[in-house]
Amino acid sequence: SQQGEEDPQALSIQEGENATMNCSYKTSINNLQWYRQNSGRGLVHLILIRSNEREKHSGRLRVTLDTSKKSSSLLITASRAADTASYFCATDAGFQGGSEKLVFGKGTKLTVNP
Amino acid sequence: ETGVTQSPTHLIKTRGQQVTLRCSSQSGHNTVSWYQQALGQGPQFIFQYYREEENGRGNFPPRFSGLQFPNYSSELNVNALELDDSALYLCASSLRPQGTEAFFGQGTRLTVV
Repeated sequence: SQQGEEDPQALSIQEGENATMNCSYKTSINNLQWYRQNSGRGLVHLILIRSNEREKHSGRLRVTLDTSKKSSSLLITASRAADTASYFCATDAGFQGGSEKLVFGKGTKLTVNP
Repeated sequence: ETGVTQSPTHLIKTRGQQVTLRCSSQSGHNTVSWYQQALGQGPQFIFQYYREEENGRGNFPPRFSGLQFPNYSSELNVNALELDDSALYLCASSLRPQGTEAFFGQGTRLTVV
């Protein structure tokens, strides 16, 4: 079963605009990670935020985490056509069940129009 | 580039056959996890290997099996292939028990006909 649910499922914006994607999850977590996937290929790690952190920045990316609401958001500022991809959040609940597995949502498909 | 390499990149197999997929983990990482991603879905956890032993398994039948070698590389084996096994298979390497980032390879696209 998928724990994370991204919202919206699809997002289309113009180059230069900001893109915001949200992720909700169900259980307690150790950390939450965001990934990008281009055209059904491998996942590219974007950012990891730990459960005791509220906000994290990396270049044009800003991630927030609200553990009380079990939600996270990914903001991409000044978007570029090259940002067109699917974005996934993945939760890591730590050693539950003996492994540090990642539980993914279905992703948000972002299209940035030039 | 993550340093995680998978082979082959594409594969076509016939229903009932067996397949082996390979993964070379990132230098310094001791854990390999395998995920299956069906079209339009997020990746689903198959299992994880740590110190050459299976260490956690998702909701996949026993015909999905794996190995991890002393150099931390790994194999995913699937027996008696079914049409629904057609998917992108992703390998991720990480460092336990630090709970750090997992880095993924480019995946193997398996088509079962």
